[in-house]
Amino acid sequence: AQSVTQLGSHVSVSEGALVLLRCNYSSSVPPYLFWYVQYPNQGLQLLLKYTTGATLVKGINGFEAEFKKSETSFHLTKPSAHMSDAAEYFCAVSLTGANSKLTFGKGITLSVRP
Amino acid sequence: GAGVSQSPSNKVTEKGKDVELRCDPISGHTALYWYRQSLGQGLEFLIYFQGNSAPDKSGLPSDRFSAERTGGSVSTLTIQRTQQEDSAVYLCASSRGQVETQYFGPGTRLLVL
Repeated sequence: AQSVTQLGSHVSVSEGALVLLRCNYSSSVPPYLFWYVQYPNQGLQLLLKYTTGATLVKGINGFEAEFKKSETSFHLTKPSAHMSDAAEYFCAVSLTGANSKLTFGKGITLSVRP
Repeated sequence: GAGVSQSPSNKVTEKGKDVELRCDPISGHTALYWYRQSLGQGLEFLIYFQGNSAPDKSGLPSDRFSAERTGGSVSTLTIQRTQQEDSAVYLCASSRGQVETQYFGPGTRLLVL
């Protein structure tokens, strides 16, 4: 079985500040890892994913995440927050060799202060 | 191209009634997923279809929930005898196959009174 932990439910940063959203996972086999973003009243949009290969993954809108197997982490970062980044962010895991159903964390709401 | 579409976008029903939620996946996508998003439980997997294989129903919360996928395309999620705890946003996603990126629809917001 697999699980995802996103500590805290809300993060607030100033515009231009670093964004760091934490994600830790538990998986019995090598995982695939994902970050999705959800804007108000919209569906989920993929930001980035890790499957195999390079552990530093770059995604859309300037976000990136690093897979650290030793720490079972996949934290999401962005060097400089923009007002448009305000949304809810979900980390998710699926299992290699399985049917790819996603197991999500509880989500983190990001607020950006002017 | 067109993304995943879902209908209706909102549904209000009375406790005990049956509801049907529809998902139109992206053309050519062989994999289709249903998830539920609720305040108490977050995002949960419900059911998965892949081609002609038997669906993975392991996430369905009770036997009141069922889903079918006709012709390898459109899917319908049916909830019978709805309960207030069924109130949630039901999300559909499709992908080109296993391990491929899942593209999500806008969801159907279900409210059971």
